[in-house]
Amino acid sequence: EVQLVESGGILVQPGGSLRLSCVASGFPFSNFWMTWVRQAPGKGLEWVANIKQDGSVKYYVDSVKGRFTISRDNAKNSLYLQMNSLRAEDTAVYYCARDLTIEVSGSWFDACDIWGQGTTVTVS
Amino acid sequence: AIQMTQSPSSLSASVGDRVTITCRASEDIRNDLGWYQQKPGKAPKLLIYAASSLQSGVPSRFSGSGSGTDFTLTISSLQPEDSATYYCLQDYNYPRTFGPGTKVDVK
Repeated sequence: EVQLVESGGILVQPGGSLRLSCVASGFPFSNFWMTWVRQAPGKGLEWVANIKQDGSVKYYVDSVKGRFTISRDNAKNSLYLQMNSLRAEDTAVYYCARDLTIEVSGSWFDACDIWGQGTTVTVS
Repeated sequence: AIQMTQSPSSLSASVGDRVTITCRASEDIRNDLGWYQQKPGKAPKLLIYAASSLQSGVPSRFSGSGSGTDFTLTISSLQPEDSATYYCLQDYNYPRTFGPGTKVDVK
């Protein structure tokens, strides 16, 4: 079964640090870009970061640049999000997702086709 | 960053109704757009990619259209299980950005 399972979400004080993990199973993890998306309580989805298959390329939303670091360990089929200098506005459910790159009529598109169940981070 | 807007923010419709949700990008994103469905307490689910391609396993009553800056998600015959919030997501450039969501209530 194709699956992503996040862990690591807890209650943390402002200014604190936390590392989220996401373990993949049922597919060749090292073949895919991977993404973190978050959702604050009662709010919409926010794309946070993603990482290339070999970890060599990473992108971030501006609000987390310099504070969060996305990484991966392909030997462990694991994706991580190191979160430093946490703020109240980082409180959210954090989802990891698989980035599927798809060819349609000669053009390439990305979509998040597999999602974990989410892990809750509370900064208070 | 590209700004995504959606309209309406919410709607209520009856079973069997045709429902259309609009997503607009602040600049031309070609057809680099996906649609996601999220039910309360659950992870999002991919419905449409490349603006109009149906993800495997998604019912054919869902369809997408548009290119450039204006996109639509259509549910041709609304079903009770379609009660959810729908989000668009541009994958044209970084950072990726979601629309604010459209909550669909099935009467």
